[in-house]
Amino acid sequence: AQSVAQPEDQVNVAEGNPLTVKCTYSVSGNPYLFWYVQYPNRGLQFLLKYITGDNLVKGSYGFEAEFNKSQTSFHLKKPSALVSDSALYFCAVGNSGYALNFGKGTSLLVTP
Amino acid sequence: DAGVIQSPRHEVTEMGQEVTLRCKPISGHDYLFWYRQTMMRGLELLIYFNNNVPIDDSGMPEDRFSAKMPNASFSTLKIQPSEPRDSAVYFCASNLPAPPGNTIYFGEGSWLTVV
Repeated sequence: AQSVAQPEDQVNVAEGNPLTVKCTYSVSGNPYLFWYVQYPNRGLQFLLKYITGDNLVKGSYGFEAEFNKSQTSFHLKKPSALVSDSALYFCAVGNSGYALNFGKGTSLLVTP
Repeated sequence: DAGVIQSPRHEVTEMGQEVTLRCKPISGHDYLFWYRQTMMRGLELLIYFNNNVPIDDSGMPEDRFSAKMPNASFSTLKIQPSEPRDSAVYFCASNLPAPPGNTIYFGEGSWLTVV
């Protein structure tokens, strides 16, 4: 079975500071890992994904994520947080199938 | 591209009534997914289709739920009869015909409240 865990329900960070949203995964075989963002009353928007290759993946809105096979992690990062980054962030995993399994989400609050 | 289109965006219905949610996937996408989002359970995969054929419906909670995809551009998720515990956001998503790992694109969701 494939799954992801997001250990933090909420992350608080001050604007301008770096942010990290954590995700660990469990999957047999090679993982395909994704990050999505959900703004209030909206659908999920794709941010970035890791399929293969470089462990550091760059995505939309200045976000990046680092794939770490030994730690089975795929943490989302941004060097300088913006108030507008406040949203719900989901990590997801897929492997040989086509559907994704999502984590429970982490609420990011960036304060001015 | 218009993206994945869902209707209705919001629905309030009384317990026992039939609810039909509709979805139009992105043109050319041949995988279609229905997810449900609740505070307690997060995002759950209900069912997905490939080329209009249901592939995995193991996430459908019970017989009150049914989903169809009569053609490549339309799918429905039906709840009959509806119950208050069905209140949730229902998302439709679609995916390009490509190897695993291709991005799934979501609609804006249908907010269902059953009173």
